[in-house]
Amino acid sequence: GENVEQHPSTLSVQEGDSAVIKCTYSDSASNYFPWYKQELGKGPQLIIDIRSNVGEKKDQRIAVTLNKTAKHFSLHITETQPEDSAVYFCAASNAGGTSYGKLTFGQGTILTVHP
Amino acid sequence: DTEVTQTPKHLVMGMTNKKSLKCEQHMGHRAMYWYKQKAKKPPELMFVYSYEKLSINESVPSRFSPECPNSSLLNLHLHALQPEDSALYLCASSQDEIPGEQYFGPGTRLTVT
Repeated sequence: GENVEQHPSTLSVQEGDSAVIKCTYSDSASNYFPWYKQELGKGPQLIIDIRSNVGEKKDQRIAVTLNKTAKHFSLHITETQPEDSAVYFCAASNAGGTSYGKLTFGQGTILTVHP
Repeated sequence: DTEVTQTPKHLVMGMTNKKSLKCEQHMGHRAMYWYKQKAKKPPELMFVYSYEKLSINESVPSRFSPECPNSSLLNLHLHALQPEDSALYLCASSQDEIPGEQYFGPGTRLTVT
């Protein structure tokens, strides 16, 4: 089955700095890669996603890049703000076989943005 | 509207109790999911319903019993739980089962005493 590794497990930055979180996946058939932000006491919130036919996607201060050859994808947050502090999860999924609909999550990154 | 609602927010139950968790979405999504999340861990998939039929059961113990009464509602019936079942139970929905945006509810914090 799919295995997703996420690094770092914790990340501390100063307000205004950039933050980068990286994930690698094992199943070359995976073709959908979402990123979720989970604040304390809340459910995960989808913040950006990318499909395997695209190399990069951007939405205001956040961007995701995908390298299919190396099987890794990254989340980039620019101009970080204290409200970006949360746990971030990457995930991978594929449309084929018996595992469709199943997201395999990374272990999460605790991001802390210091004012 | 991308809202998934879950009730109750918190639930404390004894090991001999029977209780139910409820989830509702009005986005017209045809796939709904139950996840279990332990502290500082990612969500773990339990069940997937697609077009109101159970399509994935991740070998979940029978003390957890899912039900999908209609395309907008998803229930999780709980019976004879163990203390290690204490966790945050998350419901999610997506347009269909093909990889796409899954929207999560806020979860039910379950404590089994």
